[in-house]
Amino acid sequence: DAGVTQSPTHLIKTRGQQVTLRCSPKSGHDTVSWYQQALGQGPQFIFQYYEEEERQRGNFPDRFSGHQFPNYSSELNVNALLLGDSALYLCASSLWVTREFFGPGTRLTVL
Amino acid sequence: DQQVKQNSPSLSVQEGRISILNCDYTNSMFDYFLWYKKYPAEGPTFLISISSIKDKNEDGRFTVFLNKSAKHLSLHIVPSQPGDSAVYFCAAKGRGNAGNNRKLIWGLGTSLGVNP
Repeated sequence: DAGVTQSPTHLIKTRGQQVTLRCSPKSGHDTVSWYQQALGQGPQFIFQYYEEEERQRGNFPDRFSGHQFPNYSSELNVNALLLGDSALYLCASSLWVTREFFGPGTRLTVL
Repeated sequence: DQQVKQNSPSLSVQEGRISILNCDYTNSMFDYFLWYKKYPAEGPTFLISISSIKDKNEDGRFTVFLNKSAKHLSLHIVPSQPGDSAVYFCAAKGRGNAGNNRKLIWGLGTSLGVNP
C-alpha cells in the first residue's frame, strides 16, 4: 500500500514565476491538507481539500491556490513567487482528520 | 498567537535514559492531541495520540500524558535510543470535523538528540 506521494522532490524557481506541486493521498484517504514548513518552524497549515472543495484555509495569500481531483489527488499552485516562499511543502492525507499521514515533501527554492 | 507551544527548542539525553518532551496549549476546545517525529528532509511521521477523555496513552517505549487542567501534555520515551534523535512536534485539534476543527494546530517542535 503506497503511502502519500509528492512530486517533484526538489524544485528551483525564480521570483515572479509560478509553481505547481502534486500530491497523491494514501489509499482510502479522502482529505488532503497542505502545509508549508520553513526552516526552524513547525508546519504551517495552508489549506485542506475534501470532496474536491477547499474546506479550511490558513493565513496564506490568494497567491496560494489548490485543487482536488475526483481520485482525491491534489495540487498546490503558487503564483508570483517570492523569496519567502522558499520552504518544504508537505502534503498530508487523512480520513476524518484524526491522524494525518505525510508525504516526503517538496523542497522549493526561490532565487 | 501560538496556540500550541513547545518551549524547549532542543533537548539532549543519554542513551538508555528517559526523554521528556513537553507541550502546552491555550485553547480549551482542543480535545485531541498528537505527537509527530520528523527526520531531516522527510515528512513528519505519526508517533502517538491521546484524546481528552484519557490522561495517559502508551505504545511501547512511548507514553503521552495529558493534564487538562494545566493544558499540558508530555511525551516520555523510555529507554531513549540514538535512532530517536529527531524533531518532535506536538499538534492539537478540536472536537469533530466541522470548520476549524478540520485542521491540526502545530507547535514549533523540539529537537531531541540521544547520545550513545
